[in-house]
Amino acid sequence: ETGVTQTPRHLVMGMTNKKSLKCEQHLGHNAMYWYKQSAKKPLELMFVYNFKEQTENNSVPSRFSPECPNSSHLFLHLHTLQPEDSALYLCASSHQGGQYFGPGTRLTVT
Amino acid sequence: GEDVEQSLFLSVREGDSSVINCTYTDSSSTYLYWYKQEPGAGLQLLTYIFSNMDMKQDQRLTVLLNKKDKHLSLRIADTQTGDSAIYFCAESPDNYGQNFVFGPGTRLSVLP
Repeated sequence: ETGVTQTPRHLVMGMTNKKSLKCEQHLGHNAMYWYKQSAKKPLELMFVYNFKEQTENNSVPSRFSPECPNSSHLFLHLHTLQPEDSALYLCASSHQGGQYFGPGTRLTVT
Repeated sequence: GEDVEQSLFLSVREGDSSVINCTYTDSSSTYLYWYKQEPGAGLQLLTYIFSNMDMKQDQRLTVLLNKKDKHLSLRIADTQTGDSAIYFCAESPDNYGQNFVFGPGTRLSVLP
C-alpha cells in the first residue's frame, strides 16, 4: 500500500464511450502525475500537476483530458479513444523521496 | 536529452545473487532510484541513493554507484521467486520527485 489509490482497476470501453480514471493520494504530496505504460513504450509521462497547476503536457492527444481539482485528487477524462490507447495508466505523486505510484488502471479500448 | 539505459532481461537461479545494471547520461543527476513492478501492479519504490554516496545497503539489496562512469547497479542477495518482476532505474536532479527520467526496465526471472 503506497498511499496512492486508483479506480477503476480495470476498464473496457468502446471507441465512442466517455469514461474517467480517478487517482487519490493520502500522502500530503503537492505534485501528481499520469503515466502510460504499454508493451511498446514502458513508461511515458503524460501530465504533471504541481500544486493543482498543470506544469507539463507531453504532447498528449486531446482525447485525454486531465483534471486536478485539489492536491489530493487527479482525474483523466477519456473520450473517443483508439485501440492503440489500450495500456496500463499509472498515477503517481511526489513531495520528497521520489515518486509514489498507484496500482494502475488497465484500460482496454475495443 | 537525458537518457537512462538498462538491459531488458535477466535470468538467475533461486538462491543466487542478481545484479541489475543501469547507465545514465545526465551529469546533473543527483538522486538515483530503483523501482520494482510486479505483474499487474504499479511501481514500488525500493531504494534511492544520493550521488555523493557510492554504496547503500538495505537488507538483501545493495546499490552501487559509480558516478564517474554514470553507472548504477542493484544487487539482490539470495534471490527468491518473489523477486521476479521488472526493475526500473530512474534519475532526477533533485529529491522532490519531479523531472524524473526512467529507464526501460529489466525483467528479472528467477528460476527454481
